[in-house]
Amino acid sequence: AQKVTQAQTEISVVEKEDVTLDCVYETRDTTYYLFWYKQPPSGELVFLIRRNSFDEQNEISGRYSWNFQKSTSSFNFTITASQVVDSAVYFCALSLNSGYSTLTFGKGTMLLVSP
Amino acid sequence: DTGVSQDPRHKITKRGQNVTFRCDPISEHNRLYWYRQTLGQGPEFLTYFQNEAQLEKSRLLSDRFSAERPKGSFSTLEIQRTEQGDSAMYLCASSSTSGGGLDTQYFGPGTRLTVL
Repeated sequence: AQKVTQAQTEISVVEKEDVTLDCVYETRDTTYYLFWYKQPPSGELVFLIRRNSFDEQNEISGRYSWNFQKSTSSFNFTITASQVVDSAVYFCALSLNSGYSTLTFGKGTMLLVSP
Repeated sequence: DTGVSQDPRHKITKRGQNVTFRCDPISEHNRLYWYRQTLGQGPEFLTYFQNEAQLEKSRLLSDRFSAERPKGSFSTLEIQRTEQGDSAMYLCASSSTSGGGLDTQYFGPGTRLTVL
């Protein structure tokens, strides 16, 4: 069975600080997909990124960057120069290559960015 | 392009009552998923439809739960004889296989159920 661990329950930062959200996953499959979703107070999960297990290239999108390391089974998410609007719960999720993507989520990390 | 919509957004009911939630996926998305999220936890998979066929159900989906997707469009999730433990956010997601490869799920705003 697969598992996703987000050890940080809550992180508080001041605006403009950089912050990294950790994600560690477990699976015996060699083909899998990793996701990050953002859940603002409104409750709707917003898709941020998807990576497959064969692509370990780091990715940057604006202030967001992701570091995928198969050697440590980690898929960490960094927000540079955080803003108040980044305050949300962030979920890391794993899906196997089973033809459709049933997601296994971590428990989430609540990020609080204060002005 | 409108996103996934869910109705109602909030539902308060008394223990023992039946409730039904509706999900309208993104148009032309052929896959639809239901998840349940309790406070402080990540969403947990409940069931999955491809078109009108229900292809997988989680062990979390007890006999009191039933889901349908008539005609492969909107879906309903019914909970019979609700219990306080059913209080949660019920999330719907949809995706499309048209792009090839693994699909990405897009979520609706959820229905928050409170059972008194």
